[in-house]
Amino acid sequence: QVQLVQSGAEVRKPGASVKVSCKAVGYTFTGFDINWVRQAPGQGLEWMGWINPINGHTGYAQRFQGRVTMTTTTSISTAYMELSSLETEDTAVYYCARRILGTGSFRNIWFDPWGQGTLVTVSS
Amino acid sequence: DIQMTQSPSSLSASVGDRVTITCRASQRIGTYLNWYQQKPGKAPQLLIYAASTLQSGVPSRFSGSGSGTSFTLTISSLQPEDLATYYCQESFSAPLSSFGQGTKLEI
Repeated sequence: QVQLVQSGAEVRKPGASVKVSCKAVGYTFTGFDINWVRQAPGQGLEWMGWINPINGHTGYAQRFQGRVTMTTTTSISTAYMELSSLETEDTAVYYCARRILGTGSFRNIWFDPWGQGTLVTVSS
Repeated sequence: DIQMTQSPSSLSASVGDRVTITCRASQRIGTYLNWYQQKPGKAPQLLIYAASTLQSGVPSRFSGSGSGTSFTLTISSLQPEDLATYYCQESFSAPLSSFGQGTKLEI
């Protein structure tokens, strides 16, 4: 069964960093990019960025540039998302998702499956 | 950046109703549009990709249509388990991406 299993909830103080992990189970980890999406309480989905597990290439949403780092450890089929200089507004559930590439165009992509989510709470 | 706007933001419907949710893109995106369902307290799940292709295992009462800038998600006969928030996602900007603000469906 293909699934992404994320690490548990975290609590941090403002100014700190947090690192969330996402372990791939049931498929070849290096065959698919991993994307990260977050959801603040009661809000919608916000795309953060992606990483290619083979070569480590990344792409980040502009608003997170300089503050987010996405990495992988292929030997244990795990992706990581580290967010630094945390603010209370970073309180959210963070999801990883596998990106599927369809046929015909590099634009033909969708996310499936998603991890169960990791709640990160930033509070003084 | 491409902006995705969903309407309505919320709606209430009854079991058996036909429900339609609209997603509009700020520029033409072909059929590079996906739909997700997020049930309360759960992670999003893929419903439809490439505007109209039903993901395996998704009930046939769900369908998607549209191209260019206007897209719709239709539930032909609403069921109690369809209580959820629905999101559209554009992939024209791939590898970047963006989501609509969501439509909360109440039964």
